[in-house]
Amino acid sequence: EAQVTQNPRYLITVTGKKLTVTCSQNMNHEYMSWYRQDPGLGLRQIYYSMNVEVTDKGDVPEGYKVSRKEKRNFPLILESPSPNQTSLYFCASSFLADRETQYFGPGTRLLVL
Amino acid sequence: QKEVEQDPGPLSVPEGAIVSLNCTYSNSAFQYFMWYRQYSRKGPELLMYTYSSGNKEDGRFTAQVDKSSKYISLFIRDSQPSDSATYLCAMSARGNQGGKLIFGQGTELSVKP
Repeated sequence: EAQVTQNPRYLITVTGKKLTVTCSQNMNHEYMSWYRQDPGLGLRQIYYSMNVEVTDKGDVPEGYKVSRKEKRNFPLILESPSPNQTSLYFCASSFLADRETQYFGPGTRLLVL
Repeated sequence: QKEVEQDPGPLSVPEGAIVSLNCTYSNSAFQYFMWYRQYSRKGPELLMYTYSSGNKEDGRFTAQVDKSSKYISLFIRDSQPSDSATYLCAMSARGNQGGKLIFGQGTELSVKP
């Protein structure tokens, strides 16, 4: 089944404790992206990658890191999480020539205490 | 000012009504205009997208783009309870802005039987 998977789905952590949210897709997509979704603010792009070893900032990259070492994986790293990073996170992927058709993962709900 | 503005609602209509959802934007470089639907506790899914100006129809859904007014719309005819969801507009450009996707805040729609 073609899909985007994220792990973990739910995470409670404390301020300053490094964490990684994994994202994997099995559709051979070149483009991958991370978003956060907050009430009243909608979906905001954190980082995106248009191919292996190519990453770029979205609208809200502060406090996040990403890497794209393999085509199928695009982990999101929070090196020192803070409470304002409490949010619902979505990973998405698409073909580079069709970035309008994004396939989203199921979401990761993060609470930073 | 946000690049993309969308009334968050909520919007409540009776079954069978015509629904109009709208977004405005400020970046004249946007060329692709998308509508995503998000059910509760799920990731967004693409409904349809339009390139540049004009209309596009898909069953009960019609997307309109007016680039001169920087205004896009999604119309839902004969609305059904299964259409109850959050609808997000999204926009993208190409060239040196090509990797970013900008989403609106989302409009929560409820269709009552």
